[in-house]
Amino acid sequence: DAGITQSPRHKVTETGTPVTLRCHQTENHRYMYWYRQDPGHGLRLIHYSYGVKDTDKGEVSDGYSVSRSKTEDFLLTLESATSSQTSVYFCAISDPRGGIAESTDTQYFGPGTRLTVL
Amino acid sequence: AQKVTQAQTEISVVEKEDVTLDCVYETRDTTYYLFWYKQPPSGELVFLIRRNSFDEQNEISGRYSWNFQKSTSSFNFTITASQVVDSAVYFCALTELGGFKTIFGAGTRLFVKA
Repeated sequence: DAGITQSPRHKVTETGTPVTLRCHQTENHRYMYWYRQDPGHGLRLIHYSYGVKDTDKGEVSDGYSVSRSKTEDFLLTLESATSSQTSVYFCAISDPRGGIAESTDTQYFGPGTRLTVL
Repeated sequence: AQKVTQAQTEISVVEKEDVTLDCVYETRDTTYYLFWYKQPPSGELVFLIRRNSFDEQNEISGRYSWNFQKSTSSFNFTITASQVVDSAVYFCALTELGGFKTIFGAGTRLFVKA
C-alpha cells in the first residue's frame, strides 16, 4: 500500500473559521491531488500539484487554496469554512511512468478526512 | 469534455449471484485510461484495475473480470459468485493521456446479502 496519511482524520468546525488539512506521503511521488466526496457526485478534484510549488485548480476549487513546499506534503486550506464544504476529503498521489507524455498514472488514495462545518 | 456515467445507483444481490456494474464514458481523446476503485464501508479507496485505451483485452482476476468495449464506450465490471465482503461502493474513473484530472462516476453501491 502507498504510504499516504491524512490529518486530521475527523474535524468539526464552525462557519467562518479557517481549516487546514494535511496530506503526507512517503512514496516520493511527484503528483498529489485533493478531492472531495459527496453523495451522488463521486469524487471531484479540488486542486492538484505536479511538483513542489507547482499547483493548479480542479473542477471545484472555489473557496479552497493549496500549498506544496515539500514533495511529501500537500496542504489544503479552507480560508473561511462554509457548511457547503462539509464533506469527506481525500488526498491522492501518483507518479508518471515515463516523460511528460506519460503523466497519467494510477492514483492511490489516503484514508480520508471527514470535515463537518456547523 | 470527459464524463463517466454509472447508471446503477444501488444493486442488491444474494451471495453467490453474479453481478455486473456498468460504466459508460465519454471522451474526445483517442488515448485515455480507465480505472475501477472499491470503497468498502470502512471508507478507504482501493485501486482495482487500470486499463489504457489501446488494450481492449478483457481481464480476469479471481472472481473479478472487466469487459472493455471501445465501440460502446463501456468498461463494465463483473463479480462472479459474489460474497458479503464485496459489499462496497464501486467507482469507475477516466483520465485522458497527459491530463492530471481524473473524472469519477457517481459510484454504484453494491449490497451482497448472506
